[in-house]
Amino acid sequence: EPEVTQTPSHQVTQMGQEVILRCVPISNHLYFYWYRQILGQKVEFLVSFYNNEISEKSEIFDDQFSVERPDGSNFTLKIRSTKLEDSAMYFCASSENGHNLGKLFFGSGTQLSVL
Amino acid sequence: DQQVKQNSPSLSVQEGRISILNCDYTNSMFDYFLWYKKYPAEGPTFLISISSIKDKNEDGRFTVFLNKSAKHLSLHIVPSQPGDSAVYFCAARSGGGADGLTFGKGTHLIIQP
Repeated sequence: EPEVTQTPSHQVTQMGQEVILRCVPISNHLYFYWYRQILGQKVEFLVSFYNNEISEKSEIFDDQFSVERPDGSNFTLKIRSTKLEDSAMYFCASSENGHNLGKLFFGSGTQLSVL
Repeated sequence: DQQVKQNSPSLSVQEGRISILNCDYTNSMFDYFLWYKKYPAEGPTFLISISSIKDKNEDGRFTVFLNKSAKHLSLHIVPSQPGDSAVYFCAARSGGGADGLTFGKGTHLIIQP
């Protein structure tokens, strides 16, 4: 069964450093997402991406965050200057039909630790 | 601001019995609800969904019930199996909203042999 893959599985960085989290969505999917889960809290929506542009974003997704689809297969989340509170599990997801029909396929996540 | 609430952090059920996971929501604009299941070290996996125009949706051992007047939904698993042990997330979205899926905090279901 096709799956969303995320690399790396763990990322440790120093506060203030830039990080790039990478994702390969399912190949025929058109909608891409980033969500995150801070330890002990709920999964939170960050951003959705369609047709090479951001279609929705939450309040969490401020100027420190950016997303890119640099080629036909990768989808990346960049955090420009990491803060301690950015420590979380970051999930990438993709879907055929967008949030309207709801069925998102999630990757296994990247655990980001900011020291 | 918890728009989607799962008030039971954990639930223990005997194998073969019915598991009932509950979810309440506050945003009346939500029109589509989903359940996701998550194993440790994996991402959430879609389980079942329901549109607000329905009150029940069934898929094999899984049934989701929606009570719009009470702003409540539940997931029934019958019969419960050991492989069902996982964290279950309720999620919702509003058709006109721009906030993606709103998740609850999850309920850890433990199926005991």
